[in-house]
Amino acid sequence: GAGVSQSPRYKVAKRGQDVALRCDPISGHVSLFWYQQALGQGPEFLTYFQNEAQLDKSGLPSDRFFAERPEGSVSTLKIQRTQQEDSAVYLCASSLARSGQGTDTQYFGPGTRLTVL
Amino acid sequence: GQQLNQSPQSMFIQEGEDVSMNCTSSSIFNTWLWYKQDPGEGPVLLIALYKAGELTSNGRLTAQFGITRKDSFLNISASIPSDVGIYFCAGQFGRQAGTALIFGKGTTLSVSS
Repeated sequence: GAGVSQSPRYKVAKRGQDVALRCDPISGHVSLFWYQQALGQGPEFLTYFQNEAQLDKSGLPSDRFFAERPEGSVSTLKIQRTQQEDSAVYLCASSLARSGQGTDTQYFGPGTRLTVL
Repeated sequence: GQQLNQSPQSMFIQEGEDVSMNCTSSSIFNTWLWYKQDPGEGPVLLIALYKAGELTSNGRLTAQFGITRKDSFLNISASIPSDVGIYFCAGQFGRQAGTALIFGKGTTLSVSS
């Protein structure tokens, strides 16, 4: 079956522009995560959804970052007034189980590479 | 944000050689995982470890969950060109679904044939 897909794969924005990054998780997966991966670094957690509920947003770096998953499937990560330090790969991951339901594998999408000029 | 200490940062080896990399943390984890990331792709899970002292293999890959629960290592035997990529360790404080992964900075592996 299809894996996690993300679009666009590449996005170039001018500083100050707003951007929206989309994630299509594996069908039926309840849990959805967003991670930020700076160049030469490992991914860092941003936020977590169980269905449409955003249960953890402790990793969002500022109030310019906003994520939603209104129908419990597709998710959008929005960054307002982009800054150069927002340049990174944004990875989405999904997993089958609900929070607290035992061990669970996170499957990652290919990421969106955001470059802010 | 918190990241794990992963070493070495990069390795250049000949095809057929064995490889070892490790990861340490100041925090205790309940789960250790090893991922591989190819250019332009997301990380792919290689091995998951759930108990202190656990030794698990996946083909030519072997990983161990350290006794102190603060470290893990990954060995690759008889490397081949397709092993090239970036290897990440990751820890989880909880075992339940919905727990975020905390990643190391990665080990970049280059294999010459």
